[in-house]
This record gives sequence, C-alpha cells and structure tokens, in this order.
Amino acid sequence: QVQLVESGGGMVQPGGSLRLSCAASGVTFSAHAMHWVRQDPGKGLEWVAFISSDGNNKKYADSVRGRITVSRDNSKNTLYLQMNSLRPEDTSVYYCARESLYSYGPIGYFDHWGQGALVTVSS
Amino acid sequence: QSVLTQPPSVSGAPGQRVAISCTGSSSNIGADYGVHWYQQLPGTAPKLLIFDNTNRPSGVPDRFSGSKSDTSASLAITGLQPEDEADYYCQSFDSSLSGAVFGAGTKVTVL
Repeated sequence: QVQLVESGGGMVQPGGSLRLSCAASGVTFSAHAMHWVRQDPGKGLEWVAFISSDGNNKKYADSVRGRITVSRDNSKNTLYLQMNSLRPEDTSVYYCARESLYSYGPIGYFDHWGQGALVTVSS
Repeated sequence: QSVLTQPPSVSGAPGQRVAISCTGSSSNIGADYGVHWYQQLPGTAPKLLIFDNTNRPSGVPDRFSGSKSDTSASLAITGLQPEDEADYYCQSFDSSLSGAVFGAGTKVTVL
C-alpha cells in the first residue's frame, strides 16, 4: 500500500521560511519522479515543483522559482520542499504527488497523492 | 487564468450523462502530451481518474471515460451517481512553461 505523508506545515510570517517533508512508504521511492502541487483554500490545483528520481533534474513553476527548492533523500524515502521569502499568496495546502513509472513525456501523471499540509503565511 | 480551460460547473440527475471539457493549445494538449483527469471529493486529496487521455486505473468504474481531439479533451460520466459529486481537474504538460498544468476544475453536482 503506497502511502505519502506530508509534515512541516504551519503558520509563518511574510518573508519567513518553512520546510515541508513528504515521507513515502510501501513504494520504491527512489524509482519515481516526485512533485509538489498546491491548492489555495477553496481554489484549484497548481503544480509547484518536480524532481527526477535521482534528484538531478528539477523544474519549478514561475510563481515560486527562486524562492522554493525541491530536494529528496532516497536513503530516507523522503521528499522535501524548502520555502523561503514566503508571501501571503503562498498560503495553500501543499500536496506531494508521485509520478507514475509508466508516464510518457517530460511530466506525466500523478498516481498517488499525500493528504496535504497546510501552509499559512500571515502576520 | 489557467492554461487549460474547464467549465466551472456541470450538473445532472442520477443516471444521466455529463461531460467536462478541457481546452488547451498547441503547447500542451495539441502537442500530443497526455491529458489526465483527477477527482477530488470534498476535504480529500485528488485521486487519479483517467491517465493518458483514455485509460482508467484499476478500481475506477467504467462509467468514467476520457477522450482527446486536437487541442481539447473531455471527461464523460455516464450513469451519474450521487457519489460522483466532486471537483474534477484535467492536467497535462506545457512545453512553453516547461511544467505541468492543470485546469481550474469543474464542480459536478448531482441533482
């Protein structure tokens, strides 16, 4: 049974930093590309970041590039999202999502999602 | 403004057929990147519903089906059930943005 569990969410002041973690179990974590997707309360989904299975290739949405860094530790089966210079508009539920091994193209589809971690940026 | 355009809402009575459109452009759906659909029930994480335009993961009822043509895709639900009331999102890859893109989502209401 694949399980993705996010942690590290909370409230932070504008300009502050936060690091989210996503612990994977029941899955060959190191074989899969991983993503972060966020969802503003009551709004739609927004893709945030991608990291390849070996961690050597990363992509970011324009809205977060330069402020957010995705990384992974395959020895710990854990994905990370380091968020700096946070803004009120970064307030969102952040999901980690696993990309299917059978995807084609530069970015395919997400076959498993975590339950989400709420990040609130407010003074 | 989302790169992929979906109607905000669709509705239908139990047993009816509803369809949700997802319109893109030559840099995403029209570039032959796969279109994928997710269902999000209230208060839960998204769940993969359709992948690579037309394929259903195991466990997804066959009343859900997907199609794609040129720069658009569509999700159809035939024999609408009360438990289908949820938000539905399409997703693809966009070569201009070099990233994944989602539609804004469509709320399906079962009357």
